[in-house]
Amino acid sequence: EVQLVESGGGSVQPEGSLRLSCTASGFTFSSYSLHWVRQPPGKGLLWVSRISSDGSSTDYVDSVKGRFTMSRDNAKKTVLLQMNGLRAEDTAVYYCAAEAGGTVFWGQGTLVTVSS
Amino acid sequence: QAVVTQEPSLTVSPGGTVTLTCGSSTGTVTSDHYPYWFQQKPGQAPRTLIYHTSTKDSWTPARFSGSLLGGKAALTLSGAQAEDEADYYCLLSSSGGRVVFGGGTKLTVL
Repeated sequence: EVQLVESGGGSVQPEGSLRLSCTASGFTFSSYSLHWVRQPPGKGLLWVSRISSDGSSTDYVDSVKGRFTMSRDNAKKTVLLQMNGLRAEDTAVYYCAAEAGGTVFWGQGTLVTVSS
Repeated sequence: QAVVTQEPSLTVSPGGTVTLTCGSSTGTVTSDHYPYWFQQKPGQAPRTLIYHTSTKDSWTPARFSGSLLGGKAALTLSGAQAEDEADYYCLLSSSGGRVVFGGGTKLTVL
């Protein structure tokens, strides 16, 4: 069974940091690009970042560039999102998604709340 | 970065047909945008319905189909059922490995 399990969400004050983790099972992790997608409460989906299957390249939406860093460990089947300088507008459910050849697997999400 | 547009809301009668569209601020949507369609129900993670314009995921009911229509990506639901009431999001690929979601369409079956 394919599974993506996110963890690391929680409440943090503005300008604080959090590290999200996503652990995979049930598919060939190293063959998939990984993405983080977020959804603010009651709003739509926003693509946040992507890392290539071998970890050699990353891309970010402009609003998180310089603050968020995505990385992966194919041996541990894990992808990380280091989030620094958090702002209220970063409050959202963060989903991990794995993509290869059109197939997309989704995690169940982890909630990040940025508030003083 | 491109802005991807969808109808904010649509209503379809049970058994009826409805088409959702997905446009891009940069111009015509083509197969090179690798259009995706996702379904999301309240409290749940999104699920992939359609990828690469028209390819169905393994679970996708036959009543859903994807296409290019009038310069946009389109998702057509033929024979709507109550369980199809959900939010639908399209996704388009842009340059440099980035992707952009549309704002979503809230589909009501009524």
